[in-house]
Amino acid sequence: GEDVEQSLFLSVREGDSSVINCTYTDSSSTYLYWYKQEPGAGLQLLTYIFSNMDMKQDQRLTVLLNKKDKHLSLRIADTQTGDSAIYFCAAEGASNTGKLIFGQGTTLQVKP
Amino acid sequence: DAGVTQSPTHLIKTRGQQVTLRCSPKSGHDTVSWYQQALGQGPQFIFQYYEEEERQRGNFPDRFSGHQFPNYSSELNVNALLLGDSALYLCASTQDNEQFFGPGTRLTVL
Repeated sequence: GEDVEQSLFLSVREGDSSVINCTYTDSSSTYLYWYKQEPGAGLQLLTYIFSNMDMKQDQRLTVLLNKKDKHLSLRIADTQTGDSAIYFCAAEGASNTGKLIFGQGTTLQVKP
Repeated sequence: DAGVTQSPTHLIKTRGQQVTLRCSPKSGHDTVSWYQQALGQGPQFIFQYYEEEERQRGNFPDRFSGHQFPNYSSELNVNALLLGDSALYLCASTQDNEQFFGPGTRLTVL
């Protein structure tokens, strides 16, 4: 079945790079997404990558995709305290209809 | 652009009652999806509406139903509420493979 898995917690120092990892099972996923959720809020779309790409960079964010291993990562450069939040990886389900399968979320803690 | 809006922000109901949640998509977005996010979990897909019809449905019972109006806004209805229906309900609208979420409605069932 369709499944997305993430590690649950990551702690880094302010100024360091953060790398959040994700694995997914559905090899037919066309798009893969990263969302950020702050306490009590909805989901903020950070970035997404098309499955025929290996890498996408957007300012401090770098997404790497290893399609063979079904592994996705999000790197945040120069992590700031404002980056503290829960980060969700999501894979588009089969049939390319926009149904997203989410992981459990990775809590990123940034220490000053 | 107001983005995706949802109402109400919070709601408290008792078991067995019925609830209706509302969503207005981003301007120009014609596809609306609903997700349930239990505490400490990732969102789970409930269903998606396009051109006023349910296009795809997740693994949720028939107690969960929806509707999309000609202006693309949408409602989620839940009948015979259970304690386990307590969650954050998120609405998302889609255009060009980008899915944007609203702030959610926090439903508490007592």
